[in-house]
Amino acid sequence: NAGVTQTPKFRILKIGQSMTLQCTQDMNHNYMYWYRQDPGMGLKLIYYSVGAGITDKGEVPNGYNVSRSTTEDFPLRLELAAPSQTSVYFCASSYSGDNEQFFGPGTRLTVL
Amino acid sequence: AQKITQTQPGMFVQEKEAVTLDCTYDTSDQSYGLFWYKQPSSGEMIFLIYQGSYDEQNATEGRYSLNFQKARKSANLVISASQLGDSAMYFCAMRDPGGYNKLIFGAGTRLAVHP
Repeated sequence: NAGVTQTPKFRILKIGQSMTLQCTQDMNHNYMYWYRQDPGMGLKLIYYSVGAGITDKGEVPNGYNVSRSTTEDFPLRLELAAPSQTSVYFCASSYSGDNEQFFGPGTRLTVL
Repeated sequence: AQKITQTQPGMFVQEKEAVTLDCTYDTSDQSYGLFWYKQPSSGEMIFLIYQGSYDEQNATEGRYSLNFQKARKSANLVISASQLGDSAMYFCAMRDPGGYNKLIFGAGTRLAVHP
């Protein structure tokens, strides 16, 4: 199993550009999450999903959108990138509401 | 609101010694879960250990143990026999009682293991 994979690993965006961060898991997990980690800080939840077709906002959802059309994929869309979105983005998944989350390797995004 | 506090921005320990990383939490719920994750310099998040609020025994996983003091709302991570590879950021996290296994993270503690 590859676990949780994320692409790209690094990206530099200009202010106002848009992009999609890809996340795929091959563990048949129902729950998936997007977090951001700002320098020197812990992770904060952006969006989460408890199954295909079901998504909801986390603590810091502004400026982002998600979709979950399949169990495996949970892409994160950034519209109109801003410097405040410079961060490392982690995708995670868990089998259920009682299990540990498995994290992807992260995407380092810089908005200039 | 639920909150995780890690008061030690940085710690260091001599190789082969034990070290305790502090974590306190704030919640009014009776049912909750506490996690520790390790983040090496390569950046990935690695799950270490879990403690449920109703677990009667402290969790242990190899060299990791969790010193769970419910009345004090603390869940300190103890690493025994430190190794150079233990140098990393360590994050304490709590499952959001609102459900769906959402995690609330502390700010982390950077551990340096010296030879």
